[in-house]
Amino acid sequence: DSGVTQTPKHLITATGQRVTLRCSPRSGDLSVYWYQQSLDQGLQFLIQYYNGEERAKGNILERFSAQQFPDLHSELNLSSLELGDSALYFCASSPPRFSGRASESTQYFGPGTRLTVL
Amino acid sequence: AQTVTQSQPEMSVQEAETVTLSCTYDTSESDYYLFWYKQPPSRQMILVIRQEAYKQQNATENRFSVNFQKAAKSFSLKISDSQLGDAAMYFCASQYNNNDMRFGAGTRLTVKP
Repeated sequence: DSGVTQTPKHLITATGQRVTLRCSPRSGDLSVYWYQQSLDQGLQFLIQYYNGEERAKGNILERFSAQQFPDLHSELNLSSLELGDSALYFCASSPPRFSGRASESTQYFGPGTRLTVL
Repeated sequence: AQTVTQSQPEMSVQEAETVTLSCTYDTSESDYYLFWYKQPPSRQMILVIRQEAYKQQNATENRFSVNFQKAAKSFSLKISDSQLGDAAMYFCASQYNNNDMRFGAGTRLTVKP
């Protein structure tokens, strides 16, 4: 158990709908990252937040948005869903960076949310 | 831009034998980190081993070790005494300055009893 929690575990919805995925980072971690993993593919970085502020953006569609709340949990919102959005969505968290050691850069992954769009 | 390449889509190993998974990366940064993650059928991403680029010594974690060749930008993972539980997808990843990770496409490892 990495200490990162994600809800729900599974989500089935229809095209055109909107869903929200939730992530709670490990205690003490300030950074939250969202990744998308389509079937039998690698992980694609979507977006990063650090202590409530957006830090970096990857290949995130305009239909997708995210935020990190004061309690540091994060939500990923996916709207106008298409069949191709079906994937495993991972959240990861990492500690604050103080000394530059790899332990502070390590990302710990949640169990993922499997989204199926029908 | 950072890119990570895993040239072996699939590998197999006999139980108790040793296998090496290859990874090359490309970055213009001087300070970065390299990771190997394991993804078993449960799809959970599990950290296997990590390496700071500024350290010349290869990282080891029990049966897992890396061969880090900084000049060649190579970061291979060696699994010794392979066990059935090692069967999984293995992803190599690089990271700079606490930013996002760039992952390779993965290598599917099969362990034969």
